[in-house]
Amino acid sequence: AQSVTQPDIHITVSEGASLELRCNYSYGATPYLFWYVQSPGQGLQLLLKYFSGDTLVQGIKGFEAEFKRSQSSFNLRKPSVHWSDAAEYFCAVGAGNFNKFYFGSGTKLNVKP
Amino acid sequence: EAGVAQSPRYKIIEKRQSVAFWCNPISGHATLYWYQQILGQGPKLLIQFQNNGVVDDSQLPKDRFSAERLKGVDSTLKIQPAKLEDSAVYLCASSQAGTGYNEQFFGPGTRLTVL
Repeated sequence: AQSVTQPDIHITVSEGASLELRCNYSYGATPYLFWYVQSPGQGLQLLLKYFSGDTLVQGIKGFEAEFKRSQSSFNLRKPSVHWSDAAEYFCAVGAGNFNKFYFGSGTKLNVKP
Repeated sequence: EAGVAQSPRYKIIEKRQSVAFWCNPISGHATLYWYQQILGQGPKLLIQFQNNGVVDDSQLPKDRFSAERLKGVDSTLKIQPAKLEDSAVYLCASSQAGTGYNEQFFGPGTRLTVL
């Protein structure tokens, strides 16, 4: 069965520090992978997606993610975090038919000044 | 381009009452989704429409939840009667149809509190 695991519930980093959010998935075929961000009171906004090709994908707001098939991972990174990055981040896998997404439970990012 | 619209943004009801949420997807998007997001969890798909037909409602509690998408455009999700555990944010999303996986665009959600 398809599933997504985000092992870190909360992460706190200092402004300007680097960030890595972990995501592991379970899916038998080639996955379609996504990272979304949710600010308080807002819907989800797509940061980046991986369908095929280059395993390092660039997204909006300076984020990038690397697909590692051998580790079933799709970790999100940012070299220098800004206070405005404080939000909740969700990893998702597209699986099966009809564009169905499975979401992880999310990682809440706090940014210290 | 206008985004996905949802209303109301907030709703407080007592258990056993009924409630309805409305969603208007991005123009031209054939696929519409309703998700339930309980506090501390990721969104869980309740129902997915392709035009005005249901393609997946496997996780919709059909004894109390219903949804429709008349004319293949906007959609309504209803809960009747509500239970305490229905307290959550209800997200609507839409995407273009087609092969492969397409980005889902999300509305701001409706936060439901059941007392």
